[in-house]
Amino acid sequence: NAGVTQTPKFRVLKTGQSMTLLCAQDMNHEYMYWYRQDPGMGLRLIHYSVGEGTTAKGEVPDGYNVSRLKKQNFLLGLESAAPSQTSVYFCASSYSIFGTSGGSQETQYFGPGTRLLVL
Amino acid sequence: GENVEQHPSTLSVQEGDSAVIKCTYSDSASNYFPWYKQELGKRPQLIIDIRSNVGEKKDQRIAVTLNKTAKHFSLHITETQPEDSAVYFCAANDNTNAGKSTFGDGTTLTVKP
Repeated sequence: NAGVTQTPKFRVLKTGQSMTLLCAQDMNHEYMYWYRQDPGMGLRLIHYSVGEGTTAKGEVPDGYNVSRLKKQNFLLGLESAAPSQTSVYFCASSYSIFGTSGGSQETQYFGPGTRLLVL
Repeated sequence: GENVEQHPSTLSVQEGDSAVIKCTYSDSASNYFPWYKQELGKRPQLIIDIRSNVGEKKDQRIAVTLNKTAKHFSLHITETQPEDSAVYFCAANDNTNAGKSTFGDGTTLTVKP
């Protein structure tokens, strides 16, 4: 049981380049989230998904797109990277509010993070 | 939307002392309040949580209190140890079925041996 994994761990991009960050979870969670974490700030929600085929905007969605084609995967895309997108990106997943698999509902399980540097 | 404020931003204590971190929230509909610990270079991990129908919860040296009327909740760590040094985040979940959390900006706790 790997939990939540993220690929890649680290990436350097030039301004204007594109890339996709992959998040995978093997806990059969319904909900998945993408956050960015900047120094001195908390985690800010970029986009989230409440189930396969669904996505919604979070607090800071501009410049990002997401897709949830499979329940276990949540992809974050940057179409044209900007220096302001330099950050650490965390993916998370959680039980649905109707989950019965034990643990505390709505607890979010985080991936190890992806460090992105945009030059 | 929900707004969560967390204080202090940094906290330094001597080993064995207690540490208290406070958070306030704005949305009275929020009903779930988790606390996460993030060690340097690591992912955030849940350490304790509390729901709006409970006023206090304790797990060994860690406790959380919630005052719904005042819309604030606090993390209490007793008998601090150097391994408690980390960044602590509070969060509040909105009262929808999306499980979204709004996070505070974090408190960097340093426990001096």
